[in-house]
Amino acid sequence: GAVVSQHPSRVICKSGTSVKIECRSLDFQATTMFWYRQFPKQSLMLMATSNEGSKATYEQGVEKDKFLINHASLTLSTLTVTSAHPEDSSFYICSARGVSGGVQETQYFGPGTRLLVL
Amino acid sequence: GESVGLHLPTLSVQEGDNSIINCAYSNSASDYFIWYKQESGKGPQFIIDIRSNMDKRQGQRVTVLLNKTVKHLSLQIAATQPGDSAVYFCAEIEGYSTLTFGKGTMLLVSP
Repeated sequence: GAVVSQHPSRVICKSGTSVKIECRSLDFQATTMFWYRQFPKQSLMLMATSNEGSKATYEQGVEKDKFLINHASLTLSTLTVTSAHPEDSSFYICSARGVSGGVQETQYFGPGTRLLVL
Repeated sequence: GESVGLHLPTLSVQEGDNSIINCAYSNSASDYFIWYKQESGKGPQFIIDIRSNMDKRQGQRVTVLLNKTVKHLSLQIAATQPGDSAVYFCAEIEGYSTLTFGKGTMLLVSP
């Protein structure tokens, strides 16, 4: 399957700092990228959807000013958690999806980023 | 944060047994379905997919069955191995919309 990378895999930061997480599709062009958040023993919760070159669409309850998403190219999306607080500690997972022949392709996931805010 | 008392359905099998993980999906208009495997501390890994114009698809040791009449999806794993232990999620999607994930099933394989 296609490869999606995330960096960093783990980050510990102080409360009030901002953290940037990068997501890259390594072997395909991702027309759409997704950012998820996952708490222990729960399913993935979609935070936002972004299409290359346009503003992200945020799910209800997700603060767009706190979780800044940039999808500058067909292979790179970034999520910046601004002024992080302990309640933002979670497992953040990106996902990427391409389109081929007018049919949406399989959605592949990155390995996730564990964020711990002290 | 974590919901108190929340737990995943768990399927416990012996190594070498066949495993069947079930999923009921909600949207009758969904036309694409994916099974993912998620190991602890890792992102979901694609296992197998199926489109709504099919009712069965086979991969290596895995088979997905789709019953659109009752909106049911299943993942069969043949000769289950300890390395198959993980949480398995089904996901459905309609057209170009976003994936909707099921709640997940934990598969525990004992030697």
